[in-house]
Amino acid sequence: GENVEQHPSTLSVQEGDSAVIKCTYSDSASNYFPWYKQELGKRPQLIIDIRSNVGEKKDQRIAVTLNKTAKHFSLHITETQPEDSAVYFCAASIGEGTALIFGKGTTLSVSS
Amino acid sequence: DGGITQSPKYLFRKEGQNVTLSCEQNLNHDAMYWYRQDPGQGLRLIYYSQIVNDFQKGDIAEGYSVSREKKESFPLTVTSAQKNPTAFYLCASISGSRYNSPLHFGNGTRLTVT
Repeated sequence: GENVEQHPSTLSVQEGDSAVIKCTYSDSASNYFPWYKQELGKRPQLIIDIRSNVGEKKDQRIAVTLNKTAKHFSLHITETQPEDSAVYFCAASIGEGTALIFGKGTTLSVSS
Repeated sequence: DGGITQSPKYLFRKEGQNVTLSCEQNLNHDAMYWYRQDPGQGLRLIYYSQIVNDFQKGDIAEGYSVSREKKESFPLTVTSAQKNPTAFYLCASISGSRYNSPLHFGNGTRLTVT
């Protein structure tokens, strides 16, 4: 089955810096890659997703890149703010009738 | 107000007892999922169901059971066979079988077994 590796497990940045979280996946058939943000004590919320026919997607300060050849995708957050502090999860799906497989998460801390 | 409701928010049980976690959705979603969250382990898939009366095991199904008698409901039973049941349990759903759609999560149930 699909396996998703996520790095780093923790990331500390200063407010205004950029943060990058990287994930790799094992199944070349995977074609959907969402990112979720989970604040302390709350449910995970989708922040951005990308499908395999696209190499990059951007939404304001957040962007995701996908390299299908290397089987990895990354989350980029620019101009980080304290409210970006949370746990971020990447995930991958191999297609219809299957479920999302998640990475182990990255705890991002943004200090002001 | 459409969404996924998990109850209760906190649940305490004695070791050796079975316990059932509730998950109800009024989003008219076909597919529903159960994930378990432990610190540093991410979200691990327990069971999922694409349609009523059908479900599939996820990566960590041992010690758990589910049913899908109604489209709106996907209860999870944590049995006494589950070795480490204490965890945060999240239920989620997706519209239809559109795997490339966002998961809608419930607020979760924190189960503590002593």
